[in-house]
Amino acid sequence: DAGVTQSPTHLIKTRGQQVTLRCSPKSGHDTVSWYQQALGQGPQFIFQYYEEEERQRGNFPDRFSGHQFPNYSSELNVNALLLGDSALYLCASSLGGRRYEQYFGPGTRLTVT
Amino acid sequence: GENVEQHPSTLSVQEGDSAVIKCTYSDSASNYFPWYKQELGKRPQLIIDIRSNVGEKKDQRIAVTLNKTAKHFSLHITETQPEDSAVYFCAARLTGTASKLTFGTGTRLQVTL
Repeated sequence: DAGVTQSPTHLIKTRGQQVTLRCSPKSGHDTVSWYQQALGQGPQFIFQYYEEEERQRGNFPDRFSGHQFPNYSSELNVNALLLGDSALYLCASSLGGRRYEQYFGPGTRLTVT
Repeated sequence: GENVEQHPSTLSVQEGDSAVIKCTYSDSASNYFPWYKQELGKRPQLIIDIRSNVGEKKDQRIAVTLNKTAKHFSLHITETQPEDSAVYFCAARLTGTASKLTFGTGTRLQVTL
């Protein structure tokens, strides 16, 4: 039973560039949530995808966008990167409906220079 | 929106002692409270959770208690072991907000020999 996977593991980008991060949910899960975790802080909710649509969004600018594919995998795109976007980006998968448990992937460490 | 406060930020206990981490939440409509353990450089791992219709839940050496009236919940770890050393995060889910979790700021637990 495959857990949540994310790619790439690490990424270094320059200010102003664009980045795409990828996530495959746990087998059987249909919902993907993305979180940003700055160093020494708790994860902050970016948005959630269910049935290929953004279902809910946190307090993040439009530079952050996403997509969910028919196989439930998801992408997070960040445009016009800022130094402050440097963080660990975590994907969490869950089963829609009344199951609330979320399981995290290993994350992508993004460094913006 | 929901706000979660977590205390203490750091906690040092001797092996075999108990550890208690406390969280408070702001919105009485929150109905699900998970706890995650995050080791250095690793993904957050769900260790225990509780729903608002339950006052206490136990799983071997860990337990969570919920006081809905006071809007606080706590993690209790008994007979601590060195492998319990990690950062622990509490979180809360607001009813009707899909699976969005609002996290506390984390507690760094150090179990010393």
